[in-house]
Amino acid sequence: DAKTTQPNSMESNEEEPVHLPCNHSTISGTDYIHWYRQLPSQGPEYVIHGLTSNVNNRMASLAIAEDRKSSTLILHRATLRDAAVYYCIRKPNNNAGNMLTFGGGTRLMVKP
Amino acid sequence: SQTIHQWPATLVQPVGSPLSLECTVEGTSNPNLYWYRQAAGRGLQLLFYSVGIGQISSEVPQNLSASRPQDRQFILSSKKLLLSDSGFYLCALEGDWWDSGIQTQYFGPGTRLLVL
Repeated sequence: DAKTTQPNSMESNEEEPVHLPCNHSTISGTDYIHWYRQLPSQGPEYVIHGLTSNVNNRMASLAIAEDRKSSTLILHRATLRDAAVYYCIRKPNNNAGNMLTFGGGTRLMVKP
Repeated sequence: SQTIHQWPATLVQPVGSPLSLECTVEGTSNPNLYWYRQAAGRGLQLLFYSVGIGQISSEVPQNLSASRPQDRQFILSSKKLLLSDSGFYLCALEGDWWDSGIQTQYFGPGTRLLVL
């Protein structure tokens, strides 16, 4: 039970912004929202995480709804190298030893 | 910085044969280590995790086992492989990679196993 819901796939044009949604309506107050992505034939890589406030880093931005029941990963300008499966994951607190439960993720296709 | 080595990179094994996949890490000590499996076209499934030498927790009952003989070595084994064991096996290392109190997982390059 991944406890998050994401669309199976999305398409984007190169150089355009991409908004990847995630629903986590049963999230608890101490669950963090993590995003990973998996490029073809590679292991997943960490993208970003957040708890309540919106977050920005060099890879992406994370917008978290005020009620925390959903979030959106934002890629500001999609490139062909951003084509990957994006996973939205709930992680209990921020302590070590909490395993990640991966769902099906969203397969992002980027068109030139 | 941390590094994860996995070998072999690819493996083709007959049904019923034994299996040993190795994961070693560098650049950290006493890490939490994880084994995941990804069947073709599917999401990741957590198989085992370890918080220290000799400490293994299993998430899914199956014909696989794991061992951690050294702090930075994590081994996945099977006595008899099944067709359903085919997949992409990933070792992951947990840590605070950004020095900001964030515990995230860093994945190795993976081993692609095909059981025939």
